[in-house]
Amino acid sequence: AQSVTQLDSHVSVSEGTPVLLRCNYSSSYSPSLFWYVQHPNKGLQLLLKYTSAATLVKGINGFEAEFKKSETSFHLTKPSAHMSDAAEYFCVVSKRAGGGADGLTFGKGTHLIIQP
Amino acid sequence: NAGVMQNPRHLVRRRGQEARLRCSPMKGHSHVYWYRQLPEEGLKFMVYLQKENIIDESGMPKERFSAEFPKEGPSILRIQQVVRGDSAAYFCASSPDRVPYEQYFGPGTRLTVT
Repeated sequence: AQSVTQLDSHVSVSEGTPVLLRCNYSSSYSPSLFWYVQHPNKGLQLLLKYTSAATLVKGINGFEAEFKKSETSFHLTKPSAHMSDAAEYFCVVSKRAGGGADGLTFGKGTHLIIQP
Repeated sequence: NAGVMQNPRHLVRRRGQEARLRCSPMKGHSHVYWYRQLPEEGLKFMVYLQKENIIDESGMPKERFSAEFPKEGPSILRIQQVVRGDSAAYFCASSPDRVPYEQYFGPGTRLTVT
């Protein structure tokens, strides 16, 4: 079975400083991995996705993530935090290898706080 | 292209009543997924449907919960005889055939059972 572990439940950074949200995955096959963001009382928005192409994936709003198979990690980064980045971030793995349609398995989420 | 639509956005039911949650996928999307977000927990997959067929219901509670995605009209998640523990946010997502792994989420329905 596949799973994801988000290593921090809360991360606090100052505006303008780098963001690092950590995620480790467990999967019996080469997974498809995603990061989603959820702003308060809103739905989820897809930030970026990895589906066995380039290991460094660029997403929206300046976010990027690197797939490291040797470390089973898929950490999310951004060079400079903005106040609007304050939200809940979910690391997600697909149940199906190769990016087919199937249910997603979510991590418990990391709450990102941006200090002015 | 309108996004995934869910209604109602908020639903209050008394214990024992039925709750019906609706989801209209994005235009051209034939895959629909339902997820539940309980307080202080992440999202949990419930069911995956593709026009008139249930493909994977491994996350659905065995009793009181059912889902359908008819040929015409929205997908429906039905919860019969609701209990307080059903209070949660229910999210629907859809994906297209071309990139089936790319799921787009609706704003959710917040169910409160009193």
